[in-house]
Amino acid sequence: DAMVIQNPRYQVTQFGKPVTLSCSQTLNHNVMYWYQQKSSQAPKLLFHYYDKDFNNEADTPDNFQSRRPNTSFCFLDIRSPGLGDAAMYLCASQREWDTDTQYFGPGTRLTVL
Amino acid sequence: DAKTTQPPSMDCAEGRAANLPCNHSTISGNEYVYWYRQIHSQGPQYIIHGLKNNETNEMASLIITEDRKSSTLILPHATLRDTAVYYCIAQTGNNRKLIWGLGTSLAVNP
Repeated sequence: DAMVIQNPRYQVTQFGKPVTLSCSQTLNHNVMYWYQQKSSQAPKLLFHYYDKDFNNEADTPDNFQSRRPNTSFCFLDIRSPGLGDAAMYLCASQREWDTDTQYFGPGTRLTVL
Repeated sequence: DAKTTQPPSMDCAEGRAANLPCNHSTISGNEYVYWYRQIHSQGPQYIIHGLKNNETNEMASLIITEDRKSSTLILPHATLRDTAVYYCIAQTGNNRKLIWGLGTSLAVNP
């Protein structure tokens, strides 16, 4: 049973061309996260939502934006992708702050040409 | 910055127990220790977590030292499918964010 779904699994974009990555969760979780993971590195938190409240990490570039139109869906928008933005982007959800587990999607691998 | 340190890589024979150590000497009293793993090109998968007491579930056991400065994840009978990067993570108290380290790449060999 799919719980956190990310589309597409692989995305190719051109330098400077806006791109949107999609995440949905069937768990009715309040919290959703976006992480960036570069090769051989740990996931790096970009931002998270608690319900509709958006929380940006201090070092997340302005080039990265997010939208959460409803509980189930969350989008990551990269306004002008650079070569350094090529990475795996992971979405995760969590029922509440004080519950135990973040559930991760399979990730979207972004290539910037 | 990560509050945990782990060896970069380990090997284990199939069918044997895999014991993955983690140091977290600066962890606060209310911070949980979490373990996730990531199989190549997949999203991380939750394994187990604990605060003070040892924990066991269907996947693994977590042994936390009494002073909470270190812990060990035990996979009792490792299989080839357990080959992955294992992350030991401290969960910060206020907003429950996971602070990820570099993890241990576990290779289970036939």
